[in-house]
Amino acid sequence: DQQVKQNSPSLSVQEGRISILNCDYTNSMFDYFLWYKKYPAEGPTFLISISSIKDKNEDGRFTVFLNKSAKHLSLHIVPSQPGDSAVYFCAAVNNNDMRFGAGTRLTVKP
Amino acid sequence: NAGVTQTPKFQVLKTGQSMTLQCAQDMNHEYMSWYRQDPGMGLRLIHYSVGAGITDQGEVPNGYNVSRSTTEDFPLRLLSAAPSQTSVYFCASSYFQGQGWINYGYTFGSGTRLTVV
Repeated sequence: DQQVKQNSPSLSVQEGRISILNCDYTNSMFDYFLWYKKYPAEGPTFLISISSIKDKNEDGRFTVFLNKSAKHLSLHIVPSQPGDSAVYFCAAVNNNDMRFGAGTRLTVKP
Repeated sequence: NAGVTQTPKFQVLKTGQSMTLQCAQDMNHEYMSWYRQDPGMGLRLIHYSVGAGITDQGEVPNGYNVSRSTTEDFPLRLLSAAPSQTSVYFCASSYFQGQGWINYGYTFGSGTRLTVV
């Protein structure tokens, strides 16, 4: 069973606009959440994380929001740049067990 | 450059063959793990290790063996390859950030694309 779900396989946005990537989870025991970014032929790279005791974490153009009651997190990228085009994976952790979503392919058009 | 090195980058195996995927890191990370990535499934944990001599199973361990004789190396062995093991394999490493908590901002290798025919 997939405990972490990214229901949008792809997203396309215009350069300079906001990109919003969404992630839902089913296991209420998850207490730490992360976003990874992956370019073709490379391994994923860590982007940003959030603890379950917070509802927002910001790092430059990237902000992650956590809604525990809805079991939902999102990644906002503002402003979006063509170099942000990649596959984004969300991940959730419970007791050293990290589960990944299937990924969302973001395309930022110039 | 410091990081996680995986070899080979590509491999084609026949059903029933065995092989070892190599993973090495030079960051003195205690934690190492192997994931497989399949379309529509995200990354799934195969095996992991929290230090030399210590290994444990992840979500999808069947058909794979691991060992951790040194801090730097964490090879993944396929004993008898099956078409269902066709996938992209990623090795990842990380460190403990106090009180035994793993830093989940893993460093990943660039992957091994394995095809079993």
